[in-house]
Amino acid sequence: ETGVTQSPTHLIKTRGQQVTLRCSSQSGHNTVSWYQQALGQGPQFIFQYYREEENGRGNFPPRFSGLQFPNYSSELNVNALELDDSALYLCASKDLAGGDTQYFGPGTRLTVL
Amino acid sequence: GESVGLHLPTLSVQEGDNSIINCAYSNSASDYFIWYKQESGKGPQFIIDIRSNMDKRQGQRVTVLLNKTVKHLSLQIAATQPGDSAVYFCAENYGGATNKLIFGTGTLLAVQP
Repeated sequence: ETGVTQSPTHLIKTRGQQVTLRCSSQSGHNTVSWYQQALGQGPQFIFQYYREEENGRGNFPPRFSGLQFPNYSSELNVNALELDDSALYLCASKDLAGGDTQYFGPGTRLTVL
Repeated sequence: GESVGLHLPTLSVQEGDNSIINCAYSNSASDYFIWYKQESGKGPQFIIDIRSNMDKRQGQRVTVLLNKTVKHLSLQIAATQPGDSAVYFCAENYGGATNKLIFGTGTLLAVQP
């Protein structure tokens, strides 16, 4: 177990709706990254947060947004859902001062109908 | 462009044999590489990592080899067990201000009893 938890485990939404996914980082980890993993593909980097500020972003549109809280938990928000947003959403945490290894949570499976 | 690819999408081995999973990366400036194991319905699990100033690193039953000349990474699993059956990803860390991981599409390792 990595100590990274995510909720919910599964979620079904319809096109055009908004969704919020949550992540609780491993204790002491001040950096969190979010990834999207389509079926049969490797995870794709969405963005990273450090000390509650976005610290890098992948090739995802602005309707993907995030928050990091003082207790290092975080949220991924997706507006105006599209069918192609159906995927496993993973968060990964690390301690910026403790090395580069990122530890992943179990993911949230989002299905957009 | 940004890509980490795998040579073999599926690898089938007999229990007890050694397994070798290969990976090519594209960014010669990347300084850190990681192998993750992902079982069905779970998030990626850290296996082993290696920095660009090394060419070999060993863990428990696993060895990672890095050939920077040809930008190639491999994961060797000794005495493969049924519990090793999973999808294996190599990931490339771009480093800098954002430790963005670039993943390949993965190799499915199937261990036959």
